[in-house]
Amino acid sequence: DADVTQTPRNRITKTGKRIMLECSQTKGHDRMYWYRQDPGLGLRLIYYSFDVKDINKGEISDGYSVSRQAQAKFSLSLESAIPNQTALYFCATSDPGTSHEQYFGPGTRLTVT
Amino acid sequence: RKEVEQDPGPFNVPEGATVAFNCTYSNSASQSFFWYRQDCRKEPKLLMSVYSSGNEDGRFTAQLNRASQYISLLIRDSKLSDSATYLCVVTGAGSYQLTFGKGTKLSVIP
Repeated sequence: DADVTQTPRNRITKTGKRIMLECSQTKGHDRMYWYRQDPGLGLRLIYYSFDVKDINKGEISDGYSVSRQAQAKFSLSLESAIPNQTALYFCATSDPGTSHEQYFGPGTRLTVT
Repeated sequence: RKEVEQDPGPFNVPEGATVAFNCTYSNSASQSFFWYRQDCRKEPKLLMSVYSSGNEDGRFTAQLNRASQYISLLIRDSKLSDSATYLCVVTGAGSYQLTFGKGTKLSVIP
């Protein structure tokens, strides 16, 4: 089984809808991250969390919110989706004891129409 | 200057060729450096960390030049399975956030 899982894997939604992307991990890592990837722009950090009580904004947090429900779960919400949030979204985890290597989930392809 | 810049590519090389990727970074206080590999529509995966002394893993060699703020990745004897996008990644000073380059796409041709 994959160590980092994301649901759903693909989602098409309409402008203005609320949507939640979920991430779970079995690696036992404290640190979790959400990124989006757009063609030609690379990966950009949306939010990150170093433990259950810690939430930090990344480079592009506007229009997004997160919830760290447990050490193993980190959810990303789009409160009111807009078309320019169409992208590939990745969750990642890391262990501070292993020189910052991050382990990524398989990604969620989100399309906002 | 962008934080992490890479050759835009794409690189199309025949099997068996040697190919080099270059990367520059703007934050002189960056502490850790990596090359990640990303297959089409898949998640990025760590290929190798990059150390000041340089490091090698089989056909892959990574080099770091802190003075020039330059990182390189050399792939020898390219295989079809090396076809992917290669991402240069750095951390900030005292930061556990990773900054990713846009990636360079490699296609190894039979």
